[in-house]
Amino acid sequence: DIQMTQFPSSLSASVGDRVTISCRASQSISSDLNWYQQKPGEAPKFLIYAASSLQIGVPSRFSGSGSGTDFTLTISSLQPEDFATYYCQQSHSTPVTFGPGTKVDFK
Amino acid sequence: QVHLVQSGAEVKKPGASVRVSCKASGYSFTSYDITWVRQATGQGLEWMGWMNPYSGNTGYAQKFQGRVTMTRDTSIGTAYMDLSSLRSDDTAVYYCAFSSAFYHDGFDIWGQGTMVTVSS
Repeated sequence: DIQMTQFPSSLSASVGDRVTISCRASQSISSDLNWYQQKPGEAPKFLIYAASSLQIGVPSRFSGSGSGTDFTLTISSLQPEDFATYYCQQSHSTPVTFGPGTKVDFK
Repeated sequence: QVHLVQSGAEVKKPGASVRVSCKASGYSFTSYDITWVRQATGQGLEWMGWMNPYSGNTGYAQKFQGRVTMTRDTSIGTAYMDLSSLRSDDTAVYYCAFSSAFYHDGFDIWGQGTMVTVSS
């Protein structure tokens, strides 16, 4: 199975900050990497596919990059509604695996 | 509008089985694989497996092999996830989800989740 790691596991930030979350795969997954946002009590929300493509309806302050084993999710200017937990997920091979999540909370 | 609506919360005793249903609406039920993902309280997302509603073909995570069964009733557009020999560490929210677009494989449609509590 492909193991996914994320760092940091949590971060504190303020509205307007630039936030970067890293995700690493235990082996190369090309660009088969998706990102999700989850708020307490809600199902995950799909944000980015193929490492860098924004899902329809997702604000342009979200962006993704990377390929191979190292990936990044960036929020260019954090908004109040962005405080949540973010997960990466590889779709390169079965079983699909998720990272452990990065919680973004108020500084 | 595309929706997945799941069955309500369940409380089960250790060793029992649970069935979670996932009713689809707003699209052709047999067109997209249904995936099941669970999340223990305060924990991350864990993929359990998938089912093709058209053929009934399934694929399960090795961790759940022998304990999970994913089925469907195409006449009512509903997918089911049965988990047997429940343990306390099966306590989690269980989600059904699928990828609705040909151009990506991310799970963009999710059910609301079903809380399953395993407790004696």
